[in-house]
Amino acid sequence: SSDLTQDPAVSVALGQTVRITCQGDSLRSYYASWYLQKPGQAPVLVIYGKNNRPSGIPDRFSGSSSGNTASLTITGAQAEDEADYYCHSRDSSGNHLGVFGGGTKLTVL
Amino acid sequence: QVQLQESGPGLVKPSETLSLTCTVSGGSISSYYWSWIRQPPGKGLEWIGYFYHSGNTNYNPSLKSRVTISEDTSKNQFSLKLSSVTAADTAVYYCARASSAMYSSKWYDWFDPWGQGTLVTVSS
Repeated sequence: SSDLTQDPAVSVALGQTVRITCQGDSLRSYYASWYLQKPGQAPVLVIYGKNNRPSGIPDRFSGSSSGNTASLTITGAQAEDEADYYCHSRDSSGNHLGVFGGGTKLTVL
Repeated sequence: QVQLQESGPGLVKPSETLSLTCTVSGGSISSYYWSWIRQPPGKGLEWIGYFYHSGNTNYNPSLKSRVTISEDTSKNQFSLKLSSVTAADTAVYYCARASSAMYSSKWYDWFDPWGQGTLVTVSS
């Protein structure tokens, strides 16, 4: 079992807003990073820290955190955003060990 | 622009040691720390471990007894060795550059860039 919990699947209508969440005790102490992965491709970083976007990532992607939950929000979802999304953070041990959430499959309708 | 490329055997026999190399181009391996991550077919991502240029390592507790990550600075490469493999170790293995920072007293880590990944199948 993973220390970070994600909903297995989420859907959103084209152009609407969707929030993908990641829950875990360690998120009270550490921020998450978020990755999207399309079939057959390596994961791509989309959000890291409080709300940082790498260059080249559209500004419709944003991140937030509250309590034990980190969230990735896509404002105005596009067809190309359909992918698997994974959160990552440190585990609860405090020993700089990493852990991924189980992933959320996002379907854009 | 830093790029990473995994290489190694695509087929390993059960009980043997899986060995992969990640070649870093466009930047020095001594400037960051590095990670291996794997993904079994049809499943999610699993963090394997970190290698710091100080020579220290951190490993996933579930794999710690079988994993070794090391570097070859002369070749700008770092490697993964996983011993006593079973079919459960069949996965796409990714290498990635890792970074850390702090904001408002909270640390965070991220992986960027990633290699394209290499499929390793454990089978006799």
